Amino acid sequence: EAGVTQFPSHSVIEKGQTVTLRCDPISGHDNLYWYRRVMGKEIKFLLHFVKESKQDESGMPNNRFLAERTGGTYSTLKVQPAELEDSGVYFCASSQGTPHEKLFFGSGTQLSVL
Amino acid sequence: QKEVEQNSGPLSVPEGAIASLNCTYSDRGSQSFFWYRQYSGKSPELIMFIYSNGDKEDGRFTAQLNKASQYVSLLIRDSQPSDSATYLCAVINSGGGADGLTFGKGTHLIIQP
Repeated sequence: EAGVTQFPSHSVIEKGQTVTLRCDPISGHDNLYWYRRVMGKEIKFLLHFVKESKQDESGMPNNRFLAERTGGTYSTLKVQPAELEDSGVYFCASSQGTPHEKLFFGSGTQLSVL
Repeated sequence: QKEVEQNSGPLSVPEGAIASLNCTYSDRGSQSFFWYRQYSGKSPELIMFIYSNGDKEDGRFTAQLNKASQYVSLLIRDSQPSDSATYLCAVINSGGGADGLTFGKGTHLIIQP
């Protein structure tokens, strides 16, 4: 069974550009989370989907970030326009049933904004 | 702000010894606690979760929870070089607000052969 897949694995963009990160959760997982780790800081929650609905987006930093989950399958996280402080590793995680007892993380997208 | 604190390390432990990793949390109402292991450049991997005060054992791993003192620990018995990684403590906070995990910064563990 495939795990949580994220791509690209690395992205280097210039300030002001747009970047879209993609996450493919484990098949059948209704819960999908986005997290971010800025260098030197802890991993922080961004938002939570249940199927195609945003359950909680209280961790989204500002309105430059837009997450979608079309049809309750894969999810995208778009940053527009990107700023220097957006650099970090963006993790996606998915689960089915009790959300956190069997939460599987993807390997992350390393985003560098120059 | 609800926080989770961990000593960043590195914590160096000889092979075969017990590694003890500690974590404190600020939200007294927290009910769910998790330990993740993360190898460099890889994804966090859930090792254990614990909800009740006391000890929970799974193989070489034991999680300990003390809600009165607001700390949770992870013991690794018979440490192996393959246990060398960063260990992340995570908590589900109580009340409303973010329903994701609140993580500590992690403790870097090195098992010396």
